[in-house]
Amino acid sequence: GEDVEQSLFLSVREGDSSVINCTYTDSSSTYLYWYKQEPGAGLQLLTYIFSNMDMKQDQRLTVLLNKKDKHLSLRIADTQTGDSAIYFCAEIPYGQNFVFGPGTRLSVLP
Amino acid sequence: ETGVTQTPRHLVMGMTNKKSLKCEQHLGHNAMYWYKQSAKKPLELMFVYNFKEQTENNSVPSRFSPECPNSSHLFLHLHTLQPEDSALYLCASSQTTSGTGRPGYTFGSGTRLTVV
Repeated sequence: GEDVEQSLFLSVREGDSSVINCTYTDSSSTYLYWYKQEPGAGLQLLTYIFSNMDMKQDQRLTVLLNKKDKHLSLRIADTQTGDSAIYFCAEIPYGQNFVFGPGTRLSVLP
Repeated sequence: ETGVTQTPRHLVMGMTNKKSLKCEQHLGHNAMYWYKQSAKKPLELMFVYNFKEQTENNSVPSRFSPECPNSSHLFLHLHTLQPEDSALYLCASSQTTSGTGRPGYTFGSGTRLTVV
């Protein structure tokens, strides 16, 4: 079945870049997504990439997509303490509902 | 504020109580979802409604009973819950379940439920 995998934890120092990785199994998804969940809050759509693109940049965020390897990554430049959150990778296989990864908890150290 | 509003934000209930969670969106979306988020399983899809019709029940126990009176409102009625049902319950909406329109789901902030 469909599966989305992520490492569970990442720690970085303030000002460094963070790279959160994700692998997925279904290649039928039109879009792939990154959601952010801050403590005590719901999920917020951070960014998404169309499946025929290999890169998307939005201010400090860079999304890279390698369709051949079914690998998605989120790079956060100049990571700040406000970036501490759980980041979920997700896809919507054709005709199905969202499939979320387990989430990567990003901790930003001062 | 995301456009999806959930009430209450926090709820403590006894195992014999009956309570309801409410979700409301005025984004013009036609699909609504209930998710359960707990430490053991980060995001579990519970129910899906598309144009007010339930299209998915992900083997959820009958002590959880959803209701969707219109495309803007979704309820989750709770009765005789167990302590292991304590979790964050998230509502989400999207334009349809088919993935057309603006991509992605819009989530509410969730209801933190504690069953004592």
